Amino acid sequence: DAKTTQPPSMDCAEGRAANLPCNHSTISGNEYVYWYRQIHSQGPQYIIHGLKNNETNEMASLIITEDRKSSTLILPHATLRDTAVYYCIVKTFRANAGKSTFGDGTTLTVKP
Amino acid sequence: GAGVSQSPRYKVAKRGQDVALRCDPISGHVSLFWYQQALGQGPEFLTYFQNEAQLDKSGLPSDRFFAERPEGSVSTLKIQRTQQEDSAVYLCASSLAGGAYEQYFGPGTRLTVT
Repeated sequence: DAKTTQPPSMDCAEGRAANLPCNHSTISGNEYVYWYRQIHSQGPQYIIHGLKNNETNEMASLIITEDRKSSTLILPHATLRDTAVYYCIVKTFRANAGKSTFGDGTTLTVKP
Repeated sequence: GAGVSQSPRYKVAKRGQDVALRCDPISGHVSLFWYQQALGQGPEFLTYFQNEAQLDKSGLPSDRFFAERPEGSVSTLKIQRTQQEDSAVYLCASSLAGGAYEQYFGPGTRLTVT
């Protein structure tokens, strides 16, 4: 699975959009981009995933560049409860694709 | 509608003791994963089951670590002769089908080896 690079930390004002970048320049054609987050002292929580089209769900939007070498997770109206470590993962979408490589993620701090 | 549960939530072991960590996945989930998370770092993959078959154990750090899922539901991660470097949070996750589907994580077991 391809390696990802994320900034170690970011701040965001409450109520504003949080845009979290991820670089995955070695991504291959059959690899998806997944985002998880981990709130302090809890297990990671799935947010969203995509292949090449932009995706949106009730939690966030995922924007993937046309060349698929980078992506951005957008939390449209960040709240204090969105303070967490956000992990970008690249993974092949196949039935026995077990291993996920999390890296160290981005610590997002939402400030009042 | 229970999620993934893990027990115990906290475990203190003296160096050299054996420990067993339990994971109850979401009912009907085929895949089960174990991760190790050291303080301040992201989760590190340990092993992966599809039903009762252990398809990948490449992340197990040594032969002191052993995982099983004999009936394809509950899983146990066993660590023999614990060492201080085994101190970490051990996370279990399950997913509906294969490993590509979203994983649902338990709260973890915090192991402290003294």
